[in-house]
Amino acid sequence: GQNIDQPTEMTATEGAIVQINCTYQTSGFNGLFWYQQHAGEAPTFLSYNVLDGLEEKGRFSSFLSRSKGYSYLLLKELQMKDSASYLCAVSPPGGSYIPTFGRGTSLIVHP
Amino acid sequence: DAEITQSPRHKITETGRQVTLACHQTWNHNNMFWYRQDLGHGLRLIHYSYGVQDTNKGEVSDGYSVSRSNTEDLPLTLESAASSQTSVYFCASRDSPNTGELFFGEGSRLTVL
Repeated sequence: GQNIDQPTEMTATEGAIVQINCTYQTSGFNGLFWYQQHAGEAPTFLSYNVLDGLEEKGRFSSFLSRSKGYSYLLLKELQMKDSASYLCAVSPPGGSYIPTFGRGTSLIVHP
Repeated sequence: DAEITQSPRHKITETGRQVTLACHQTWNHNNMFWYRQDLGHGLRLIHYSYGVQDTNKGEVSDGYSVSRSNTEDLPLTLESAASSQTSVYFCASRDSPNTGELFFGEGSRLTVL
């Protein structure tokens, strides 16, 4: 089965760098997603990692280590608008590819 | 622009009533999903569909049903609403399994009194 763990809440300062970790326990694995969700809004896709390593998209980067069951989302040059929940989701083995979501990390960016 | 819409966005109902939440997407996606989101639980899968006339149960399907009569719509029905079903409900769709990315609707906040 899957047991996805991520911190409940984090705070950071505008302009800083923050790393949000996600660990998972699964008997198999097809990929890991990160979504961003602002309060009262729909989740929006940030990244999808299938292979080990770091993928960079502008200020956001996502890292995956399949052997360690570990991922992180790195946010650089934080802006106030980055205050949101960040959802880690794992795509299970088999053909469904339906992601199972963690509980999310609420990031608060303060001036 | 193609989109995915949910209605109603907010609803208050009473215990025992039947409630239907609508989900409509214009991307012509085959896969559609319903999740509920509660504090402390994150997004949990209720039902999903891979195409017309196909429906499948998710992790928390008890008390819910869906039907898929066309590609665009996947309505979610609560046959007899319970207070435990007070939640925010998100519909999502995607083009094919391998691409993975889900596109979410704006959510429907349901309160059962």
